[in-house]
Amino acid sequence: EAGVVQSPRYKIIEKKQPVAFWCNPISGHNTLYWYRQNLGQGPELLIRYENEEAVDDSQLPKDRFSAERLKGVDSTLKIQPAELGDSAVYLCASSLGTGATNTEAFFGQGTRLTVV
Amino acid sequence: AQKVTQAQTEISVVEKEDVTLDCVYETRDTTYYLFWYKQPPSGELVFLIRRNSFDEQNEISGRYSWNFQKSTSSFNFTITASQVVDSAVYFCALRYNTDKLIFGTGTRLQVFP
Repeated sequence: EAGVVQSPRYKIIEKKQPVAFWCNPISGHNTLYWYRQNLGQGPELLIRYENEEAVDDSQLPKDRFSAERLKGVDSTLKIQPAELGDSAVYLCASSLGTGATNTEAFFGQGTRLTVV
Repeated sequence: AQKVTQAQTEISVVEKEDVTLDCVYETRDTTYYLFWYKQPPSGELVFLIRRNSFDEQNEISGRYSWNFQKSTSSFNFTITASQVVDSAVYFCALRYNTDKLIFGTGTRLQVFP
């Protein structure tokens, strides 16, 4: 079974440019997470989806960040315009969802963003 | 407040030593789940174990063991006879309020030959 797939693996952009990250979760997983991980720190939640609904986006900087999961499957996270402080690894994860016994989230390899 | 604390920033051991990684959590929920993840240099977070709040049984899997104690809100992870391949950053995580998942700041384990 395929795991969580993210692309691209690496991205280098100049500040003020837009950037987008893509995530394909594990088949059948209703819950999808986007996390940001700064160097030397733990992952911090940006947004959580239950199917196509964003149920927790309280930590998403909405002035420049946006996300979508239109058909409740794959998802895109966008930053526009990017700032130097956005340099980080962006992680996507998925899990079976509310009520499932196996509640663990599985992570993709992440996208390492460098803003110069 | 919901929180996960990993007080040990970095631990260094020599191969074959036993090492324990500490995790303390805070939550108001009565139903919650605790996890440990391993993040090797490649960067991917690898799931190691899940424990729910109603199951305080300790678990052993090969050289890995986990000690869950609700009385002290701790979920500690022990690696017995450590190996160089165990070198990684280890994260403890808490899932509460249905699907909210938060992480500690991680403990970097370095195992030297």
